Amino acid sequence: GAGVSQTPSNKVTEKGKYVELRCDPISGHTALYWYRQSLGQGPEFLIYFQGTGAADDSGLPNDRFFAVRPEGSVSTLKIQRTERGDSAVYLCASSGRVGGGSYNEQFFGPGTRLTVL
Amino acid sequence: KQEVTQIPAALSVPEGENLVLNCSFTDSAIYNLQWFRQDPGKGLTSLLLIQSSQREQTSGRLNASLDKSSGRSTLYIAASQPGDSATYLCAALGKGGSEKLVFGKGTKLTVNP
Repeated sequence: GAGVSQTPSNKVTEKGKYVELRCDPISGHTALYWYRQSLGQGPEFLIYFQGTGAADDSGLPNDRFFAVRPEGSVSTLKIQRTERGDSAVYLCASSGRVGGGSYNEQFFGPGTRLTVL
Repeated sequence: KQEVTQIPAALSVPEGENLVLNCSFTDSAIYNLQWFRQDPGKGLTSLLLIQSSQREQTSGRLNASLDKSSGRSTLYIAASQPGDSATYLCAALGKGGSEKLVFGKGTKLTVNP
């Protein structure tokens, strides 16, 4: 596709449930990033993939959060036993040598708004 | 640990005015600094990226400067328009292995017709 896409755009779930958020990066981009943005704040880093492997997962808040990128393209962020504090907008970005811009310029998707009731 | 600060948090100007948004960062060991625009309920749109070896970048009515030694970047918007109303975020990409962006909290700009 032309840009980074994320699904779903909105997700409402109940406390304790499991959710999966999907990110489709710009075709050919090798790097993929997940960030989380709370109201009135700037995005905060969660995890970064280079290819299929997680190069830096230091931003994941706890072991309820997990992300995969099995084929080096699409990524899924998985949250177990959701808590009300997990409510935020989850943003995905990608970067690479194709698709225009500088090699390390990050392009963001529209985000998934997660609400935990 | 890198910290990024944006001042002011909010800014309201009349249409046509030139304006400057400020961004400061604590660790000068950066690869680049990126400016983004965010409209309400939307994702981030990349506006300008300045590599650490550069002093400034220009795109249309936007000009971004970078002074690594003082840990500062500015985004200059010329002849502001109501359509420029949005939140502007700056983010620093640090050296040292991880390619994570560290963001400021943003400046909410309102341009009044």
